[in-house]
Amino acid sequence: DIVMTQTPLSSPVTLGQPASFSCRSSQSLANSDGNTYLNWLQQRPGQPPRLLIYKISNRFSGVPDRFSGSGAGTNFTLRISRVEAEDVGIYYCMQATQYPLTFGGGTKVEIK
Amino acid sequence: EVQLVESGGGLVQPGGSLRLSCAASGFTFNTYEMSWVRQAPGKGLEWVATIISTGSRIYYADSVKGRFTLSRDNSKNTLYLQMNSLRAEDTAVYYCAKYCTTNSCYTRYFDSWGQGTLVTVSS
Repeated sequence: DIVMTQTPLSSPVTLGQPASFSCRSSQSLANSDGNTYLNWLQQRPGQPPRLLIYKISNRFSGVPDRFSGSGAGTNFTLRISRVEAEDVGIYYCMQATQYPLTFGGGTKVEIK
Repeated sequence: EVQLVESGGGLVQPGGSLRLSCAASGFTFNTYEMSWVRQAPGKGLEWVATIISTGSRIYYADSVKGRFTLSRDNSKNTLYLQMNSLRAEDTAVYYCAKYCTTNSCYTRYFDSWGQGTLVTVSS
């Protein structure tokens, strides 16, 4: 199974300032079809998860452009260019390259 | 608008059974893979199982294999999860999720989620 490891566990951020979170996989997420199926999800308090980014760097429909993703192979990053109050929640990376699908443990974002 | 509405959760004793349902609307149900993802209280997300559009292939997490059975009724736009031999560690909110894959979307992601249904396994 592919293990997804996220750091930090918690990230106090300042409104209007940038933030970034890391996700590492235990093996390369590059698929034989040439794609890397690394997605980022956001879960606000009391809400189901919501897709933010797919295939490393593609923003899902309706996601603000302050969110961006990057990376390759086993190392990936989610960035928020300017944190807003509505960004509070837990951010999960997940891999869909192979079964079983696996999630990182999440990074909790709180406002300082 | 895609809607996924889970039902069937509740309190069950260890060793008991429960069947979850997920009623889908707002998209062509029989062309998409569907999944269950669970979240134990205060914990992260755990993928449980995925069924392809026709129902002919199903994938399970090792933690539920042999105990849970995933199925779908495309005539009713409904996804089911039969859970047997339930354990305390199965206690979680169970989310139904639409799984967009290379067959339907040329990628792979959960693009829609239900609000979840809580399953509590306790004596």
